[in-house]
Amino acid sequence: GNSVTQMEGPVTLSEEAFLTINCTYTATGYPSLFWYVQYPGEGLQLLLKATKADDKGSNKGFEATYRKETTSFHLEKGSVQVSDSAVYFCALDNYGQNFVFGPGTRLSVLP
Amino acid sequence: ETGVTQSPTHLIKTRGQQVTLRCSSQSGHNTVSWYQQALGQGPQFIFQYYREEENGRGNFPPRFSGLQFPNYSSELNVNALELDDSALYLCASSLDGDSSYNEQFFGPGTRLTVL
Repeated sequence: GNSVTQMEGPVTLSEEAFLTINCTYTATGYPSLFWYVQYPGEGLQLLLKATKADDKGSNKGFEATYRKETTSFHLEKGSVQVSDSAVYFCALDNYGQNFVFGPGTRLSVLP
Repeated sequence: ETGVTQSPTHLIKTRGQQVTLRCSSQSGHNTVSWYQQALGQGPQFIFQYYREEENGRGNFPPRFSGLQFPNYSSELNVNALELDDSALYLCASSLDGDSSYNEQFFGPGTRLTVL
């Protein structure tokens, strides 16, 4: 079946540090891959996505590249801000009918 | 254009009872998906409705059922509540059935507590 694995949190960084949150997946075929973010007290928001191998999704300084050879979709940001503190979810969608989310990684950025 | 709304915000039920959760999709969105998010975990897909028909289901028993109405509203019904049903229930609407290409917009969720 389809599954998503993320690095365990919480991740605590100082402002302006480099961020990587690892995500690997298991799926048949060619799923689409997503990163969602959940800010404190708010609903889930789409951060970025990639729909085919080697695609790079980017938004708000965050990037992730769809690597089929390593079944990975790691999230990166060059310089985090306090406002980036949130829970980040990696997810996949196979054929548009069954979204699978990872367990989430909590990020805390300290000033 | 309004966002996705859910009601109620919080709900407390006892084991064995039945519950109905409601969602109002963004105008024009003909697809709605429901998710269960247990504390500290990622959302788990329950089912999706497309143009009022079920269009995919996750690993949830039949006591989880849904309805979608022509006015962009939908319901999640859970019968014979169990303690493990305590969770945040999220609905998400999208423009069309293929959520790979059409962004899902999530509501704030309904927090269900089963005692």
